[in-house]
Amino acid sequence: DAGVIQSPRHEVTEMGQEVTLRCKPISGHDYLFWYRQTMMRGLELLIYFNNNVPIDDSGMPEDRFSAKMPNASFSTLKIQPSEPRDSAVYFCASSFGGRDVGELFFGEGSRLTVL
Amino acid sequence: AQSVTQLDSQVPVFEEAPVELRCNYSSSVSVYLFWYVQYPNQGLQLLLKYLSGSTLVESINGFEAEFNKSQTSFHLRKPSVHISDTAEYFCAALGTGYGKLTFGQGTILTVHP
Repeated sequence: DAGVIQSPRHEVTEMGQEVTLRCKPISGHDYLFWYRQTMMRGLELLIYFNNNVPIDDSGMPEDRFSAKMPNASFSTLKIQPSEPRDSAVYFCASSFGGRDVGELFFGEGSRLTVL
Repeated sequence: AQSVTQLDSQVPVFEEAPVELRCNYSSSVSVYLFWYVQYPNQGLQLLLKYLSGSTLVESINGFEAEFNKSQTSFHLRKPSVHISDTAEYFCAALGTGYGKLTFGQGTILTVHP
């Protein structure tokens, strides 16, 4: 398996622009997680899905952030409008449920810079 | 809910020296515990996990961690580190019945020649 695939790997945009990050989880995994990593705040869970249904979005910073999972093989994280404080590395991760739910497989991340 | 505290933000050591990265957790329910490693410019990778059974768990590259319920700790150890172990290490907890991991703040291990 190719692992969790994220795109783009790097994104540089200007404040106010819309940003869409994409994720393809590992086939057969039923959990999908979006994390944000910064030096100041470390690793933060933004939202996670189980069987394509959002379960907990309490980590989503504000209404500018939205995430969707239209099917088992694709998810998006959208920021509109973007702000400089959104600059971070965004990770997508997937896992099996049950006892394996804590064994996350991470993508390589999308590094976002908002100017 | 769970919380995870990694007691050291940075740990510098010399090659071939032993190392211990400390992790404490708190939880109102039983937990599963994990250590993840992040190499530069990469995502996190599972290093080892404790679900049940033997309280000492090992990774394939020589790390081990011991679950200590009375001290609510899950410290990571390696008797002799290599330059290639330089990375950031994250301790994480999963409460049984919950779907999301709680990560600690990370410990940057730097191995010097």
